[in-house]
Amino acid sequence: DAKTTQPNSMESNEEEPVHLPCNHSTISGTDYIHWYRQLPSQGPEYVIHGLTSNVNNRMASLAIAEDRKSSTLILHRATLRDAAVYYCILRDGVRRGGSARQLTFGSGTQLTVLP
Amino acid sequence: GAVVSQHPSRVICKSGTSVKIECRSLDFQATTMFWYRQFPKQSLMLMATSNEGSKATYEQGVEKDKFLINHASLTLSTLTVTSAHPEDSSFYICSASRTGQGEAFFGQGTRLTVV
Repeated sequence: DAKTTQPNSMESNEEEPVHLPCNHSTISGTDYIHWYRQLPSQGPEYVIHGLTSNVNNRMASLAIAEDRKSSTLILHRATLRDAAVYYCILRDGVRRGGSARQLTFGSGTQLTVLP
Repeated sequence: GAVVSQHPSRVICKSGTSVKIECRSLDFQATTMFWYRQFPKQSLMLMATSNEGSKATYEQGVEKDKFLINHASLTLSTLTVTSAHPEDSSFYICSASRTGQGEAFFGQGTRLTVV
């Protein structure tokens, strides 16, 4: 799986937007960009994913660079509950026999939200 | 939405004993489930892939005789840590996906402490 690079940590003020960057310069044409987050002492939870176009859902937005070598997860108004480790993960969209594939987690970005 | 339930959430056991952790997909069938381990301040590391009706696939360095995986039905996978030692103390997390779908669902994790 192609590698991703994220800052180790970021801080944000409550109710302000947060832009979490991710570099993935070796991304292949079939790699989807996934974001998961892990709150303290919990399993990861899905945030968003995309392939080429920007994506929006109720949790966040995903902005993907035109060359797909980087992406940014955008939290529009950070709350204290958004404090977590955010993981940017590439996942090959080519399904071999229809089976699920594991996720390969990097070190992620620890987001601290200040009140 | 889909939910993966993991039980127990926390367990303390004595050295030399065995501990079983259950992972259930509550509203979908999962032919494949994944087991991860996470040490403090580290990222998730894949331990093994659990396949319904067949043997699990273990990652390099993970002892298959120590971490027994059983995936007897399409909604249940179990991980048994046999002859536990203090160094097995960790946060164990399972995940599952609907076949061919992008989003992975994670259990809430099991905090294992071996004393």
